[in-house]
Amino acid sequence: DAKTTQPPSMDCAEGRAANLPCNHSTISGNEYVYWYRQIHSQGPQYIIHGLKNNETNEMASLIITEDRKSSTLILPHATLRDTAVYYCIVRLSPLSGNKLVFGAGTILRVKS
Amino acid sequence: GAVVSQHPSRVICKSGTSVKIECRSLDFQATTMFWYRQFPKQSLMLMATSNEGSKATYEQGVEKDKFLINHASLTLSTLTVTSAHPEDSSFYICSAGDGYGYTFGSGTRLTVV
Repeated sequence: DAKTTQPPSMDCAEGRAANLPCNHSTISGNEYVYWYRQIHSQGPQYIIHGLKNNETNEMASLIITEDRKSSTLILPHATLRDTAVYYCIVRLSPLSGNKLVFGAGTILRVKS
Repeated sequence: GAVVSQHPSRVICKSGTSVKIECRSLDFQATTMFWYRQFPKQSLMLMATSNEGSKATYEQGVEKDKFLINHASLTLSTLTVTSAHPEDSSFYICSAGDGYGYTFGSGTRLTVV
């Protein structure tokens, strides 16, 4: 079973920051948080991942709370092309095969 | 960046026949690949973990005799749907660990008629 819960959908205005929350209260100490997004009928696209520290790359920022029970993905300037399903995933530990088990995700709609 | 090529992108087959889907890591070696299935408007469901040189590990409820997985080299894993039926129609996606993250293929749309 997935270890994450996300809101089913969110809207965001074009040009504004999109903040997507994720709860992972049962995460273990050596389990990473990954974010992917999927546009209709395509394979998921990697966005960012982290363990404890906040992370930033050219696509997004990942803010992880100190207790690691939740995180937020931030798209700083959302565009219409960012409309997609966003998945927050806890990568299982090496003992559990390093698997990515997907939850339901959040449908992000960016509107002009 | 890392690229995973999945082939074919679409396939239509008759009920009772078998279909093979290929997943290749183009610029890196992957000792482990994962296979997922996705039904319309649903999330990805992990089917199995494919390990190079050894037997695949299947998730609970996935029939290993129906979904045959072979990981013959560090760059190729195949999923064969045997004796396909209309209820096997779905979007099948593979992914491979590239040492940094997990790269996904573009998926295969299987339609069984």
